[in-house]
Amino acid sequence: AQSVSQHNHHVILSEAASLELGCNYSYGGTVNLFWYVQYPGQHLQLLLKYFSGDPLVKGIKGFEAEFIKSKFSFNLRKPSVQWSDTAEYFCAVTPNTGKLIFGQGTTLQVKP
Amino acid sequence: DTGVSQDPRHKITKRGQNVTFRCDPISEHNRLYWYRQTLGQGPEFLTYFQNEAQLEKSRLLSDRFSAERPKGSFSTLEIQRTEQGDSAMYLCASSSSMGDEQYFGPGTRLTVT
Repeated sequence: AQSVSQHNHHVILSEAASLELGCNYSYGGTVNLFWYVQYPGQHLQLLLKYFSGDPLVKGIKGFEAEFIKSKFSFNLRKPSVQWSDTAEYFCAVTPNTGKLIFGQGTTLQVKP
Repeated sequence: DTGVSQDPRHKITKRGQNVTFRCDPISEHNRLYWYRQTLGQGPEFLTYFQNEAQLEKSRLLSDRFSAERPKGSFSTLEIQRTEQGDSAMYLCASSSSMGDEQYFGPGTRLTVT
């Protein structure tokens, strides 16, 4: 079965620390990859996406992610986090069927 | 506001009652999705429509659940004979084409007592 695994369930960082959230998926074919973010009290919104081309994609608010096909991974990074990055982050894939398959999410808490 | 809207935002119901939720997608989007999210988990796919056609249903969608999109615009999700295990956030999303970015609504939080 297709699945998405996020390695970190809860991450606590201080402001200015670097962030990397792991995401692995299980699907052998072509996939589109996404990171969504949910800020406290708000609904899910897209952070960045990968469809094809350069495997290093840049999103909003200084986030980026790297697609490594051989590792079935799509890790999210940010060089220097801010308190306002406190949120829940979801990795998701859509294996050309339309529906999104989400990981279980990572709660990021940034201490000021 | 041209985003995805959902109504109601919160619903408390007693076990055994029927509930219906509504989703209004972004107007030019022909794809509409329903997901369910429980605490500490990512959203789980329930079903999706392309225009008025329901193209896929998850095995999570028991026969107590039914979804419609009669005119290819808004959609409704009905749960009959609710159970406590149905308590969750029900999310609606829309997109303009397959594989494209999905825009999510604020969700309807269902509590079954």
